[in-house]
Amino acid sequence: GENVEQHPSTLSVQEGDSAVIKCTYSDSASNYFPWYKQELGKGPQLIIDIRSNVGEKKDQRIAVTLNKTAKHFSLHITETQPEDSAVYFCAAPSGGSYIPTFGRGTSLIVHP
Amino acid sequence: DAGVIQSPRHEVTEMGQEVTLRCKPISGHNSLFWYRQTMMRGLELLIYFNNNVPIDDSGMPEDRFSAKMPNASFSTLKIQPSEPRDSAVYFCASSLDWSNYGYTFGSGTRLTVV
Repeated sequence: GENVEQHPSTLSVQEGDSAVIKCTYSDSASNYFPWYKQELGKGPQLIIDIRSNVGEKKDQRIAVTLNKTAKHFSLHITETQPEDSAVYFCAAPSGGSYIPTFGRGTSLIVHP
Repeated sequence: DAGVIQSPRHEVTEMGQEVTLRCKPISGHNSLFWYRQTMMRGLELLIYFNNNVPIDDSGMPEDRFSAKMPNASFSTLKIQPSEPRDSAVYFCASSLDWSNYGYTFGSGTRLTVV
């Protein structure tokens, strides 16, 4: 079954606003949490990841936070720009496997 | 590095025909993954290899699907015979290891079976 849930499925923001996408997972043994960005006609691209020994990681305008107790992690994009428009996927191991299951994706639309 | 290279980019074939998708992973990456992406099911893992050895093919939908990795720089995914429901985008990805590392995806092969 699907043990990685991602919300929201679509997110529409104005340029300059912040965007937050959240994923929950069920396998408490999970210790690696990547986020991917997929632009139209391309494959997913790793944009940021976090390991279970830290609670937050930043890279310029994007950040990921992890709450292992609650089993959720979030992607934060600040000062959004039109080129941030894409589908974003989270991933986390599930079902006792070390291979990550991908969330269903969030379509982010940034309006100029 | 040119990244993960997939071919062809697009494939249109008739039902019943054999289809072969190809992938060249990043040099030095030990793990290779084949994914299928559809609107209905999202990104599904079909099979993955570690050091050229198939580790888990439980995601392969039917016996019509087969995958090989004869060496560290090449893998194929074959569908024989193809069916319209196989229409999807197929991605190959490679990684340093099968866990705890991010994946580098290729640009995908868009397969249409008519």
